[in-house]
Amino acid sequence: QKEVEQNSGPLSVPEGAIASLNCTYSDRGSQSFFWYRQYSGKSPELIMFIYSNGDKEDGRFTAQLNKASQYVSLLIRDSQPSDSATYLCAVKGGGSNYKLTFGKGTLLTVNP
Amino acid sequence: ETGVTQTPRHLVMGMTNKKSLKCEQHLGHNAMYWYKQSAKKPLELMFVYNFKEQTENNSVPSRFSPECPNSSHLFLHLHTLQPEDSALYLCASSQFQQDLEQFFGPGTRLTVL
Repeated sequence: QKEVEQNSGPLSVPEGAIASLNCTYSDRGSQSFFWYRQYSGKSPELIMFIYSNGDKEDGRFTAQLNKASQYVSLLIRDSQPSDSATYLCAVKGGGSNYKLTFGKGTLLTVNP
Repeated sequence: ETGVTQTPRHLVMGMTNKKSLKCEQHLGHNAMYWYKQSAKKPLELMFVYNFKEQTENNSVPSRFSPECPNSSHLFLHLHTLQPEDSALYLCASSQFQQDLEQFFGPGTRLTVL
């Protein structure tokens, strides 16, 4: 059973702080990793994806991947109240062209 | 219309009813997906269609019946559902065999009485 684990939270940070969201996965053959943001009552939207070990930065967001530790994280710098949402980690297994396995998500609250 | 659309947005049905959910993607993708999202559970993949052919049925009960008449449209036919089937049903699309994101529709919030 391929699993993706996330701390369900809620994670609460003050406005302007760095929010750190973590995800671990069980399938060592996983190749692609995605972070989706889901606002309450809305559908998931892609924030970032990462394929290679190391960091990938896009604006205030940084994804970090460590395949040896089977760990992927998302850092949000200068957190804003509008970042308050559930963040879903999704993993695409090796050899799969399409199947994403999702974690339960971490609820992030940014307090003004 | 742009992106992925779903209708209806909300649906309440009894256990003996028959209803259908509709999804349409305007992105030129060739793969479409049905997901179920229940409270406190991860998104669960239900069905995958690639070029109109079903490539995955993730052990979904037969009371859920998908239909994909073309690569832009996807239906989920519902009959004799159970209250535990109440959930948010999300449709998504992507370009198959490319490591690109799946785009989600707004979902249908289904309540089974």
